[in-house]
Amino acid sequence: DGGITQSPKYLFRKEGQNVTLSCEQNLNHDAMYWYRQDPGQGLRLIYYSQIVNDFQKGDIAEGYSVSREKKESFPLTVTSAQKNPTAFYLCASSMTGGGYTFGSGTRLTVV
Amino acid sequence: GIQVEQSPPDLILQEGANSTLRCNFSDSVNNLQWFHQNPWGQLINLFYIPSGTKQNGRLSATTVATERYSLLYISSSQTTDSGVYFCAANSGNTPLVFGKGTRLSVIA
Repeated sequence: DGGITQSPKYLFRKEGQNVTLSCEQNLNHDAMYWYRQDPGQGLRLIYYSQIVNDFQKGDIAEGYSVSREKKESFPLTVTSAQKNPTAFYLCASSMTGGGYTFGSGTRLTVV
Repeated sequence: GIQVEQSPPDLILQEGANSTLRCNFSDSVNNLQWFHQNPWGQLINLFYIPSGTKQNGRLSATTVATERYSLLYISSSQTTDSGVYFCAANSGNTPLVFGKGTRLSVIA
């Protein structure tokens, strides 16, 4: 079945650590996106990529980094520069101009 | 960029009641989607509806692009309809912008 897979579901990070969230899709979608959701809030865009080897900052990119070396994969690294990383992270993909499909999310907690 | 506003922010319904959720957007749209976020956080796509009307079982949606709003109708609500409903839209080739959502609670 085609879909979008995020891993891990839960992730704990110590202060000062970098962590990487995985996002893989087998929908042959061109574009991929990372959103952050805080409790009781909507989704805010972190980074997006419309084509391999290219990506753009979203509204809240500070403290995050991404890569897009393969069409299927768009990992997100939460760096130690992100001062408040505890949140729910959602990855999505789409064909250009098409509807979005979301993964099941990763809950990141700083311990 | 485009702005998306949803109303009401919270809604409590008795099981079996009908409801209408509204989404206003500030610019012409290429894409408008309605999502349901379940208690586990998964975002389920309900409708891809930049214009017109669609129906899927007890749910239907209408987007009036010229007047910049979309409506999501839920009929004969069930407890499993509870959760947060998000409207998201984009214009041009920009990513989806989300509203703050409507939190629906259906009580038996």
